[in-house]
Amino acid sequence: EVQLVESGGGLVQPGRSLRLSCTASGFTFGDYAMSWVRQAPGKGLEWVGFIRSKAYGGTTEYAASVKGRFTISRDDSKSIAYLQMNSLKTEDTAVYYCTRLVVTAIAFDYWGQGTLVTVSS
Amino acid sequence: EIVMTQSPATLSVSPGERATLSCRASQSVSSNLAWYQQKPGQAPRLLIYGASTRATGIPARFSGSGSGTEFTLTISSLQSEDFAVYYCQQYNNWPITFGQGTRLEIK
Repeated sequence: EVQLVESGGGLVQPGRSLRLSCTASGFTFGDYAMSWVRQAPGKGLEWVGFIRSKAYGGTTEYAASVKGRFTISRDDSKSIAYLQMNSLKTEDTAVYYCTRLVVTAIAFDYWGQGTLVTVSS
Repeated sequence: EIVMTQSPATLSVSPGERATLSCRASQSVSSNLAWYQQKPGQAPRLLIYGASTRATGIPARFSGSGSGTEFTLTISSLQSEDFAVYYCQQYNNWPITFGQGTRLEIK
């Protein structure tokens, strides 16, 4: 059974950093691209960023709202994806979901339960 | 950035009836379009990708159609568990963008 479990969320002050982790199980993690999607309280879905599998270079793409502040990485030996968030802003407050991508499309076929990040002084 | 616009914002339908949800892209996304269902307090669930391909385990009452800029998600006979918020998402161009959602409620 595919499982994605996020951790690392919490309350953080504006300007500070936080790192989220996504621990995967039930599939060959290294074969898949992974992505982060967030949802502000009571709002819709916003794509954050994406990391390709090593077979496709392990390169990344980011939304303009987080580019230069957020970094996605992966450790295939541990089946973990990371979201390093720096220079956090109040507008980054959201539930952050880790997602797995469909092999043949940039659509998200498995989602974690989400972890809440609250940026507030 | 491609803007995805969903309509209507809220759709009221009776159980057993058909629901038709629309999604429009500000420019062509070919068939690179996905649909998700989200229930309160839960993560979204992938329903459709490639505009019309059902994801694993999705019932046949869910169908997607369209290409270019106009897309439709049809639920042929609404079940109680189908009342939720539905989002479309394009993946033809970076950045990936979602529509604002359609809330499907019981009439």
